[in-house]
Amino acid sequence: KAGVTQTPRYLIKTRGQQVTLSCSPISGHRSVSWYQQTPGQGLQFLFEYFSETQRNKGNFPGRFSGRQFSNSRSEMNVSTLELGDSALYLCASSLFYLGTGTEAFFGQGTRLTVV
Amino acid sequence: ELKVEQNPLFLSMQEGKNYTIYCNYSTTSDRLYWYRQDPGKSLESLFVLLSNGAVKQEGRLMASLDTKARLSTLHITAAVHDLSATYFCAVGTGNQFYFGTGTSLTVIP
Repeated sequence: KAGVTQTPRYLIKTRGQQVTLSCSPISGHRSVSWYQQTPGQGLQFLFEYFSETQRNKGNFPGRFSGRQFSNSRSEMNVSTLELGDSALYLCASSLFYLGTGTEAFFGQGTRLTVV
Repeated sequence: ELKVEQNPLFLSMQEGKNYTIYCNYSTTSDRLYWYRQDPGKSLESLFVLLSNGAVKQEGRLMASLDTKARLSTLHITAAVHDLSATYFCAVGTGNQFYFGTGTSLTVIP
């Protein structure tokens, strides 16, 4: 079956702009979680959506937001981009929400570069 | 905030040797995950450990969880070059998810 699909794979944006990233989970999975990976901070949890509701949010400013649609596809938005937002953004798909110990399957990521 | 520490950060080992990667975390959790990441690639799920004393094995990798000691180990047996990658542990608590710093493993022929 198809895996987790993230689009686009690469993005270059200018400081101050906003960006929207997309994640299509594995069919039947209802949870989508988002992560930021940078060389300096490592892997950090951004937030999780389950059945169109945000279940929790990591320690990121309000410029980072997301949503989930009825078909479980999720989007992540970053407004007023800063140079420090340059990172690999990963999404993961799970059958149930993370608190249940469900296994998470990751997409290939979106590499965002802010110039 | 939960802290997750992995050691070593870098590991260079010869083919055929055994080694263990350690993952310590600072507060109570009953969900521990191990992932593998190849350079420039995404994360691949290796193990999900959900209870004290849980042990799982896949090929040359074996993971265990001691929730009382707040410690998980990833043991590599008779390493082969294909195991070269970065290995991350992650700890779940509530609906949050915290990753370790990663262990970069290089297996030398």
